[in-house]
Amino acid sequence: EVQLLESGGGLVQPGGSLRLSCAASGFTFSSSWMHWVRQVPGKGLVWIARIISDGSVATYEDSVKGRFTISRDNAKNILFLQMSGLRAEDTAVYYCTADTITVTTYYWGQGTQVTVSS
Amino acid sequence: NSVLTQPHSVSESPGETVTISCTRSSGSVANNYMQWFQQRPGSAPSIVIYEDTLRPSGVPPRFSGSIDTSSNSATLTISGLQTEDEADYYCQFYDSGEHRVIFGGGTKLTVL
Repeated sequence: EVQLLESGGGLVQPGGSLRLSCAASGFTFSSSWMHWVRQVPGKGLVWIARIISDGSVATYEDSVKGRFTISRDNAKNILFLQMSGLRAEDTAVYYCTADTITVTTYYWGQGTQVTVSS
Repeated sequence: NSVLTQPHSVSESPGETVTISCTRSSGSVANNYMQWFQQRPGSAPSIVIYEDTLRPSGVPPRFSGSIDTSSNSATLTISGLQTEDEADYYCQFYDSGEHRVIFGGGTKLTVL
């Protein structure tokens, strides 16, 4: 059974930093492209970052480019999202998602809440 | 960048059939596979249709997907509506040219 378990969310002040983690199991993590998707409460899904299987290439949505960094540890089956320069508008539930060979964001974690507030 | 447009909300009675459209603003809908996700209140999204028309195991055959190149849109059809189908539904595709994932704005399905 595929499992994606996010952690690291919480309350952080504007301008602060936070690192999210996603522990993966039940599939070949090292072969899978991975993504982070976020959702402001009551709003829609927004893709924010993607990393290919070996970690050598990452792509970001414009609003987080230069502030967020997606990375992975294929030896430990963990995906990361390092967030810095956090703003109130970054407040959202952050989901870790995994591709299959042919389907983007097929599997989803349960999400972790990030709240940016003073 | 391509945008996916969905109706904000749809409603139908139990046992009836509902369709949810997803119109692609640029680029052909046939160029990239479309996925559909269901998100029940308080839960993470889960996939119900992939590669335009395919259902993951465990998704009932009441759920079906299609694309229409003439309207450049994808459609999710749910037949024999049940109260448990009440949820938000999102279409999505991977833009291989821009290397980004595009989601529609979501459609709230109410089963009256």
